[in-house]
Amino acid sequence: EVQLVESGGGLVQPGRSLRLSCAASGFTFDDFAMHWVRQVPGKGLEWVSGISWKSGTIGYADSVTGRFTISRDNGKKSLYLQMNSLRAEDTALYYCARAFERGKWGGFDIWGQGTMVTVSS
Amino acid sequence: EIVLTQSPGTLSLSPGERVTLSCRASQSVSSNYLAWYQQKPGQAPRLLIYGASSRATGIPDRFSGSGSGTDFTLTINRLEPEDFAVYYCQQYGSSPLTFGGGTKVEIK
Repeated sequence: EVQLVESGGGLVQPGRSLRLSCAASGFTFDDFAMHWVRQVPGKGLEWVSGISWKSGTIGYADSVTGRFTISRDNGKKSLYLQMNSLRAEDTALYYCARAFERGKWGGFDIWGQGTMVTVSS
Repeated sequence: EIVLTQSPGTLSLSPGERVTLSCRASQSVSSNYLAWYQQKPGQAPRLLIYGASSRATGIPDRFSGSGSGTDFTLTINRLEPEDFAVYYCQQYGSSPLTFGGGTKVEIK
């Protein structure tokens, strides 16, 4: 079964760091670009960051540039998001998502169930 | 950054009706790299359409996408009870990738 499972969310104080992980299974992980998308409960979707299959192309939303770092370990079939200098406005459900086709950047066909990040003192 | 504007914000419809959702981009979407998603409460989004008009795997043919450049449309023919949800468009032709604000299709 094709699956993405996020972990690492939780309650963290403003200014602190958190590292999210996404474990992939059921497909050839290193064939696909991978992304992080977040959603404040009850609100819309916001793309956070993406990384190509061999990490040659990386992109970030303006709202997280300089604070968040995306990475992947193809041997471990895992995607990561290192989040530093967290702010209250980073509070959201963070989804891991797969680009729908080999070599394509976007259009996300597989999504995890998300991991909640709450930034509060 | 390409801003995507979806309209209307909410639609109240009955099962069996036909619905047309709009997504307008602030500038041309490269290669018509425009996707549509459906999201139900408590669930992750589901990819419906990619490349503006191609249905994703397993998506019923009552869903169709059209448009190019800056104006895109998602049409659902004969609404089924399971189609009541929020629909988002997304452009993935240029970075940063962006989503529209969503259109909620609710039961009348």
